[in-house]
Amino acid sequence: AQSVTQLDSHVSVSEGTPVLLRCNYSSSYSPSLFWYVQHPNKGLQLLLKYTSAATLVKGINGFEAEFKKSETSFHLTKPSAHMSDAAEYFCVVRGLNSGGYQKVTFGIGTKLQVIP
Amino acid sequence: SQTIHQWPATLVQPVGSPLSLECTVEGTSNPNLYWYRQAAGRGLQLLFYSVGIGQISSEVPQNLSASRPQDRQFILSSKKLLLSDSGFYLCASLLGRRWDTEAFFGQGTRLTVV
Repeated sequence: AQSVTQLDSHVSVSEGTPVLLRCNYSSSYSPSLFWYVQHPNKGLQLLLKYTSAATLVKGINGFEAEFKKSETSFHLTKPSAHMSDAAEYFCVVRGLNSGGYQKVTFGIGTKLQVIP
Repeated sequence: SQTIHQWPATLVQPVGSPLSLECTVEGTSNPNLYWYRQAAGRGLQLLFYSVGIGQISSEVPQNLSASRPQDRQFILSSKKLLLSDSGFYLCASLLGRRWDTEAFFGQGTRLTVV
C-alpha cells in the first residue's frame, strides 16, 4: 500500500532560522516524490520533485529536499526562513496501486508558522 | 502545459440539497483525474480517481460519487449533502505515462453545507 506520513502537523520557526519539514513514505514501487505549498486561499504550487535522478533536489524559493531510500524519507529544508514561507506544505508520493494504475497520495500537511 | 478549470470557487448549500462540481482539463488528452477533499484542520484526502472515460475508483466510502463522461471532464456529485461534506474540494490531473511530470490542480471549490 502507498502512504505518506508528515510527522509534524505544525512547525513554528523564527525568521532567519532553518526550516525542517519531515516526510516519510511507503510504496511498493519506486515512487516519485513531490513537495507542494499552499498559501492561504491560494492553489497548490509545486516546490520540488524527486524522480530517481539526483537524491538532493533543489526547488523554488530556496527550498531543497533529500531522498533517502534507506530511511524512506523525503524531508524538506530551507537554510533561512522568510515571513513569506508561512503556508501549508504537502508531501506527495506518486506510485502504482495494486491494479497497476498511477496513484497520487498526499500527506496530511504541515502548517509552517514564521515568527518575526 | 495543462490547465485545470474547476468551478464554482465557493458554494454554500443547505443540508439535503444535491451537489455537482465540475472539473475540465485543457492542454492534454487521456489524463488521470483525481478528486481530493481537504476538511478543516485536515490534509488532502483522495476521494476518487479515474484513468479513463467511465472508469471511476473510489478510495473511501462516502456520500459522494464521481463520473467521467468525457476524456477531459470529471464531475463530483451528491444526491443529498451532509454537514460533514463541507470542505475544500480539489481536482487534479496528471499524465498517465510519465513519472516525472507534476500533478496539475484546479483552484478548488470551497463548499459550506449549512
